[in-house]
Amino acid sequence: KNEVEQSPQNLTAQEGEFITINCSYSVGISALHWLQQHPGGGIVSLFMLSSGKKKHGRLIATINIQEKHSSLHITASHPRDSAVYICAVINAGGTSYGKLTFGQGTILTVHP
Amino acid sequence: NAGVMQNPRHLVRRRGQEARLRCSPMKGHSHVYWYRQLPEEGLKFMVYLQKENIIDESGMPKERFSAEFPKEGPSILRIQQVVRGDSAAYFCASSPLLNTEAFFGQGTRLTVV
Repeated sequence: KNEVEQSPQNLTAQEGEFITINCSYSVGISALHWLQQHPGGGIVSLFMLSSGKKKHGRLIATINIQEKHSSLHITASHPRDSAVYICAVINAGGTSYGKLTFGQGTILTVHP
Repeated sequence: NAGVMQNPRHLVRRRGQEARLRCSPMKGHSHVYWYRQLPEEGLKFMVYLQKENIIDESGMPKERFSAEFPKEGPSILRIQQVVRGDSAAYFCASSPLLNTEAFFGQGTRLTVV
């Protein structure tokens, strides 16, 4: 079992729909990242959070440390949101050195 | 302030050649991480460096791979005697302090033919 699990693996939506991507992890963490990767493209950090909730435009990220779970929400989805969304954690502990452990990614396709 | 710069974006090497991948972190960032994304697989940690020091190379293959981050100039990931299985996207990320937000480069896509 991977330390970081995402669901769903694939997600198809119609433009305007509300989207939720989930991330569960099995280790103690100091922080969690949500990342976006377009096909053939680079990786963009959307959020880094260690508690509560963050919002940026149409994107909202939440984390529940006790339940070891985070969600990424996209409101009013748009075809340009089509990408791979990746959850990544920084393990707690002195020897993690801030390195990231990644989920397998969620492929989101938004149709017009 | 330019972002994390990686070059080249695409690199083609024949089996047995050497590949050199460069990463210039964001200005003021002294922590550099290299990650590898194999085809149809997720990202995996390779190595963590600070200026002139390798801090954690637990994700690096034991042979043929090396990394450095000299006092002056970019961080270099070097792969000697490349094989087809080295074909992947290699991403560099930098951060200003430990356990703070990491910023990624565009990646270098290595193809071994």
